[in-house]
Amino acid sequence: EPEVTQTPSHQVTQMGQEVILRCVPISNHLYFYWYRQILGQKVEFLVSFYNNEISEKSEIFDDQFSVERPDGSNFTLKIRSTKLEDSAMYFCASTLRDEQFFGPGTRLTVL
Amino acid sequence: SQQGEEDPQALSIQEGENATMNCSYKTSINNLQWYRQNSGRGLVHLILIRSNEREKHSGRLRVTLDTSKKSSSLLITASRAADTASYFCALTNTGNQFYFGTGTSLTVIP
Repeated sequence: EPEVTQTPSHQVTQMGQEVILRCVPISNHLYFYWYRQILGQKVEFLVSFYNNEISEKSEIFDDQFSVERPDGSNFTLKIRSTKLEDSAMYFCASTLRDEQFFGPGTRLTVL
Repeated sequence: SQQGEEDPQALSIQEGENATMNCSYKTSINNLQWYRQNSGRGLVHLILIRSNEREKHSGRLRVTLDTSKKSSSLLITASRAADTASYFCALTNTGNQFYFGTGTSLTVIP
């Protein structure tokens, strides 16, 4: 069964560094998403991406964040100048119609 | 707020018992979906119910939706220890953004 994959599973970085989280959505899906879940809190929407551009973004998704689909398969989330409060699980999801399929997540730890 | 709110926040039952979790929301929806998350893991889709549906079944899962009360419930029958997880409702309205609730933490005691 096709699935969404994410790499790395765990990323540790120093505060102020840039990180790129990678996702490979399911191949025939059209919409792609990034979500964040701070430990013990709810899953928060960051951004949705359709037709090679951002379709919706939340207040969390400020200039520190950017997304890209560089090669038609990967979907990346770049976080510039990471802060301690960026430590969280980051989930990628993709959908063809209604059901969102989530990846296993990348745990980002900012030291 | 467009997010769903689950209750209870935590639920502990004996194996074999049924578990019921509720989700309430405030806006109109296109559909509502339930997800499971094991500790530190990703979200697993359980079931989708559309705004024009009232009830759906999938194995031991039964979901109801009452749009007049803006609420949904997830029933897990004959619970197993492996059902121990957090359960979230997620709703969509006119856009394709998902709004997740805070979740119900279910513990099934063997």
